[in-house]
This record gives sequence, structure tokens and C-alpha cells, in this order.
Amino acid sequence: GQQLNQSPQSMFIQEGEDVSMNCTSSSIFNTWLWYKQDPGEGPVLLIALYKAGELTSNGRLTAQFGITRKDSFLNISASIPSDVGIYFCAGQTRDNYGQNFVFGPGTRLSVLP
Amino acid sequence: NAGVTQTPKFQVLKTGQSMTLQCAQDMNHNSMYWYRQDPGMGLRLIYYSASEGTTDKGEVPNGYNVSRLNKREFSLRLESAAPSQTSVYFCASTLLGNGELFFGEGSRLTVL
Repeated sequence: GQQLNQSPQSMFIQEGEDVSMNCTSSSIFNTWLWYKQDPGEGPVLLIALYKAGELTSNGRLTAQFGITRKDSFLNISASIPSDVGIYFCAGQTRDNYGQNFVFGPGTRLSVLP
Repeated sequence: NAGVTQTPKFQVLKTGQSMTLQCAQDMNHNSMYWYRQDPGMGLRLIYYSASEGTTDKGEVPNGYNVSRLNKREFSLRLESAAPSQTSVYFCASTLLGNGELFFGEGSRLTVL
């Protein structure tokens, strides 16, 4: 099935550093979503983006909906140990049958003290 | 606010046994989904229910059945479990037109 391209696949950073990850697709989406998943838990919604060019923040997290509607990025500023986890992007489209969601494979973030 | 609740959280089955995963949401959402998550495969859609009374196949429906019992509840049934169905299963829900998808905590199933 269709999947989004997400990079980097994994990253190791020092505590206090900023992090940037992105998601790209060949398809256009109505909504972009960013999730964080901790081990043994379900994905938790961090940020939702609804319009091309939209820039939205949630605390130290900032995400943008690409102008072409085919990409999105997530930045984390001043990383802390609890930022460790897997970050997923998702694109949403709508058709006559309802809403469809496509997911990226995830970026695994490790924060070194 | 419970959000999306899944039961059971863990289950071990023998090949050929049947079981039902339960999911309930308390957010008055219209649409509900069942995904499985496997290493290297990401989240794959099994079945979804766009609204109460409707269900549709997703990407990997073989070996599964679903029931949208009412607006709150959407169950996933394995009639004859196979080792290939060992996975983590997530239920999710969204308000129609909203675009925000919320997940449960997952049900970890092992089929021996």
C-alpha cells in the first residue's frame, strides 16, 4: 500500500539540540498529522495541519504544511530526554467512502544526555 | 476522558483459535479504524467504518472480520488465528471531516 517517505530513519542527538524531520509524498493531502509513539504505547497526536503553508506550534514542537501539499516537516527545539521515541507523519485525504490516512515509516529519535 | 479504549492489551492464542478485539471511543466520532503494526511495515489498515452501519476492507483484510456495533464500538474478530497474525493491533477514530485521527493504546497479539 501507499506509504509516505519520512527522513531521517533514525537520529541520535545531544540533549539541548534542535531536531528536524520531514515527510514527503507524490500525492496531495488535505491534512498532515504528526504523532509520537513511545515503546508499548499507541501513537499520540502532536500536531495537525490543515492548510498549505500553515505553520503550527505545540510547545517546543513546530510543524509546517508544505506549499505543494505533498510534504511536511516537524522541528523539535531544545530536545530533552523524554523526546525519545518514534515520530510518525500521516497524510489525510477524503473520498466518497470517508477519510483515508497514509502513514510514514517513522523517525526513531534518541537523545543522549 | 478515556478517548479510544482497546481490550485486551495482551493475548496469546494457539493457531486456529478465535478471538475478538474490542474497541470503544467516547469522543462521538463517526469513523473508526483497525490497523496492524509490524516491524518494518508501518501501520497497515485492516478494516474501517466510515460511519455507523458501514464497514469496508482496508489494505490487509484477509483473516479478519469486523462489526460496528454502534457509534461507540468497533470490534475486530480473528476467526481462525494464524502465526502471521502475530502483531500489534491499533484501533483509531476520527470525527468525519475533522482530519484528526486518535489511536488506542494497542492490543499485542501472539499466535503460536
